[in-house]
Amino acid sequence: DGGITQSPKYLFRKEGQNVTLSCEQNLNHDAMYWYRQDPGQGLRLIYYSQIVNDFQKGDIAEGYSVSREKKESFPLTVTSAQKNPTAFYLCASDRGQGSNQPQHFGDGTRLSIL
Amino acid sequence: GENVEQHPSTLSVQEGDSAVIKCTYSDSASNYFPWYKQELGKRPQLIIDIRSNVGEKKDQRIAVTLNKTAKHFSLHITETQPEDSAVYFCAASIRSAGNMLTFGGGTRLMVKP
Repeated sequence: DGGITQSPKYLFRKEGQNVTLSCEQNLNHDAMYWYRQDPGQGLRLIYYSQIVNDFQKGDIAEGYSVSREKKESFPLTVTSAQKNPTAFYLCASDRGQGSNQPQHFGDGTRLSIL
Repeated sequence: GENVEQHPSTLSVQEGDSAVIKCTYSDSASNYFPWYKQELGKRPQLIIDIRSNVGEKKDQRIAVTLNKTAKHFSLHITETQPEDSAVYFCAASIRSAGNMLTFGGGTRLMVKP
């Protein structure tokens, strides 16, 4: 899965601060996803994008925002409205709707509050 | 929306024994069921997947079975080894409606040497 790069690996957020997590893929995948993982729990979908310049809310979108200006990039902003941002954030991509190919994940970004 | 339940949450087996993890899903339209293995602090890695047009799929020591009527699917690992120790996640999605995965809560598998 070396085709999906997330940065930074660790990130710290101060009170009232917005922070942006980067996700880049060179797999020519149409669809990209952001998941949040809390300790000892499964992954929950924050936002997804099936095509450039379009994205949809997932199950836990409140306090987050995204953009999809380029096919390769799907950055996630954790806003100050997200009161409990400490978690492991995973970006994923695949060939999109109807594809028979599996979803691939990046190495994740661990976000903590200072 | 889809809901995926996974059991057990922890599973401890002796090396060489088999391990079985079970998942149930709620949306009968779901047609794609991957299983991921996640080691501590790392990305989930796909280990096997199954589509709704088959009932069983096998890859060496790993197999997955699907019962569409009962809406459940299971992961079977035979001849477990210490390196199988990890957290395993099941997931479900509807391929024709986008590939958003709904994950189960995970199973921590510990294989004792």
